[in-house]
Amino acid sequence: GENVEQHPSTLSVQEGDSAVIKCTYSDSASNYFPWYKQELGKRPQLIIDIRSNVGEKKDQRIAVTLNKTAKHFSLHITETQPEDSAVYFCAASDNRDDKIIFGKGTRLHILP
Amino acid sequence: DVKVTQSSRYLVKRTGEKVFLECVQDMDHENMFWYRQDPGLGLRLIYFSYDVKMKEKGDIPEGYSVSREKKERFSLILESASTNQTSMYLCASSLGTSGILTGELFFGEGSRLTVL
Repeated sequence: GENVEQHPSTLSVQEGDSAVIKCTYSDSASNYFPWYKQELGKRPQLIIDIRSNVGEKKDQRIAVTLNKTAKHFSLHITETQPEDSAVYFCAASDNRDDKIIFGKGTRLHILP
Repeated sequence: DVKVTQSSRYLVKRTGEKVFLECVQDMDHENMFWYRQDPGLGLRLIYFSYDVKMKEKGDIPEGYSVSREKKERFSLILESASTNQTSMYLCASSLGTSGILTGELFFGEGSRLTVL
């Protein structure tokens, strides 16, 4: 089955700097790669996703890149703000059964 | 807005007790999922269902069973609770219409289970 590895487990960046979180996946059939943000005490929520027919997708300060050959994808947050502090999860899925497998998460701290 | 409601936010049970965790979604989603969340281990899939009375094992099904008698309701059952099942349990749903690619998961607020 699919296995998703996520790095780093913890990341601290200065407010205003950029943050990058990286994930790799094992199943070459995976074609959908969402990212979820979980603020303290709240439920995970989708912030951006990418499908395998594109290499990059951007939404304001966040962007995701996908390299299908290398089977890795990354989340980029620019101009970080205090409200970006949260746990971020990457995930992978294929459309055979809609099962979504998550990485272990990255705790992002934005330092003042 | 999609609403996924989990019946209990906090439960405390004793070892060996049978535990039911209920989840209801109100958007006619086809897919429903149960994950457990533990520090440092992320979200691990226990079971999922893509239709009424259908169920598929996830990555950690041992010690759990599920029931989906109605489209909007997906129950997680711990037949005989053990201390290593102390965790946060998250239910989720997604649209999952046949022929359409995988889509967004909508999560409930979670049920924190403590087994003594």
